[in-house]
Amino acid sequence: ETGVTQSPTHLIKTRGQQVTLRCSSQSGHNTVSWYQQALGQGPQFIFQYYREEENGRGNFPPRFSGLQFPNYSSELNVNALELDDSALYLCASSDASGPNYGYTFGSGTRLTVV
Amino acid sequence: AQSVTQLGSHVSVSEGALVLLRCNYSSSVPPYLFWYVQYPNQGLQLLLKYTSAATLVKGINGFEAEFKKSETSFHLTKPSAHMSDAAEYFCAVSGGVYGGATNKLIFGTGTLLAVQP
Repeated sequence: ETGVTQSPTHLIKTRGQQVTLRCSSQSGHNTVSWYQQALGQGPQFIFQYYREEENGRGNFPPRFSGLQFPNYSSELNVNALELDDSALYLCASSDASGPNYGYTFGSGTRLTVV
Repeated sequence: AQSVTQLGSHVSVSEGALVLLRCNYSSSVPPYLFWYVQYPNQGLQLLLKYTSAATLVKGINGFEAEFKKSETSFHLTKPSAHMSDAAEYFCAVSGGVYGGATNKLIFGTGTLLAVQP
């Protein structure tokens, strides 16, 4: 069984640019969540996708958007990058069909905005 | 609303000593509780989870945690620390709704565990 794969692992962007991060969910998982982890902080929930629909959103502006594809992989898009967007972005997949679901996290994408 | 408080941003123990990392939660619904470990420049690895079954939960690498509803706590313990346990540990809570409804994880701010030789 494959785990969660994120790409790229590291990325440097300039303020004002746009970025797309990608996530392949674990086999059999139908739900993908994205988290932002700033340096020295715990991960913060950005949003979740279930069966290609956004299914909950944290306190992030609309310039953070996402997609989920039929194979349950996902993208996180951030427009008009700001310096404070520099963080580790984590993708987590889960199977929300039962009471004992768990979350599997990828290794993350380290985004640096300069 | 749900929240998690981790007491102690840094904990240092000697190799072979007891590890105790504290987590208190707040939740208006029966919580699901998790402990994750993060090694430098890596993602999160699940150590253990409480999903309303046994209150004493055993995880990987010799860690365990006990759910205490009366104390709203879910502290993580390990009887004997190993050098390889040095990492950051995060406690998280979820509402655990089924069927695809939002079940986001709310994380604490983390505890950095140092293990001294």
